[in-house]
Amino acid sequence: AQKITQTQPGMFVQEKEAVTLDCTYDTSDQSYGLFWYKQPSSGEMIFLIYQGSYDEQNATEGRYSLNFQKARKSANLVISASQLGDSAMYFCAMRGLFQTGANNLFFGTGTRLTVIP
Amino acid sequence: GAVVSQHPSWVICKSGTSVKIECRSLDFQATTMFWYRQFPKQSLMLMATSNEGSKATYEQGVEKDKFLINHASLTLSTLTVTSAHPEDSSFYICSVPGPYNEQFFGPGTRLTVL
Repeated sequence: AQKITQTQPGMFVQEKEAVTLDCTYDTSDQSYGLFWYKQPSSGEMIFLIYQGSYDEQNATEGRYSLNFQKARKSANLVISASQLGDSAMYFCAMRGLFQTGANNLFFGTGTRLTVIP
Repeated sequence: GAVVSQHPSWVICKSGTSVKIECRSLDFQATTMFWYRQFPKQSLMLMATSNEGSKATYEQGVEKDKFLINHASLTLSTLTVTSAHPEDSSFYICSVPGPYNEQFFGPGTRLTVL
């Protein structure tokens, strides 16, 4: 079984500052993938960043970076230089890799980020 | 990334009617598609896995006779909410697995049952 925990229901950050959104996970899979998605008020799910459990380096995508600490089972999202358009819900998700059958995602409860001008 | 479309983007219907939601993978063929449901201020919960050419796989607690899934082609999956009731009002999102580890989501369909 897989479980994703996001303990911050809401976060505020000043524009242009950096913010860290927490995510911890639990899984019995040896190989797994961790994802972060952004969901603005329109509802669409926007893929931000991916980290494989076998990746030794932390993933980065532009202003997004994933602070992956495997021993602690955490995969925090760091957004640098926050912009007003970053205000949205952010979901951490995971799935097992190299499994037969479905490869659906398991989602955390989300963190609502508000960027303050 | 790949483009996934959903139709309609929103629908309002009367209690007792049936509503069909389409999910199309526009960039590549998908033998598997996923249907999620998201209630207000909650996370996405997987409802079922749509399998091309075979029966869908439903998650525990999801009524297969109420949420009919048809995956008739490699680019189209449909979710039909039969005899909809107000408690079925939700945001329904489909997704398509990519060729690597990514998963692409449709824009979602907001269903309101009066």
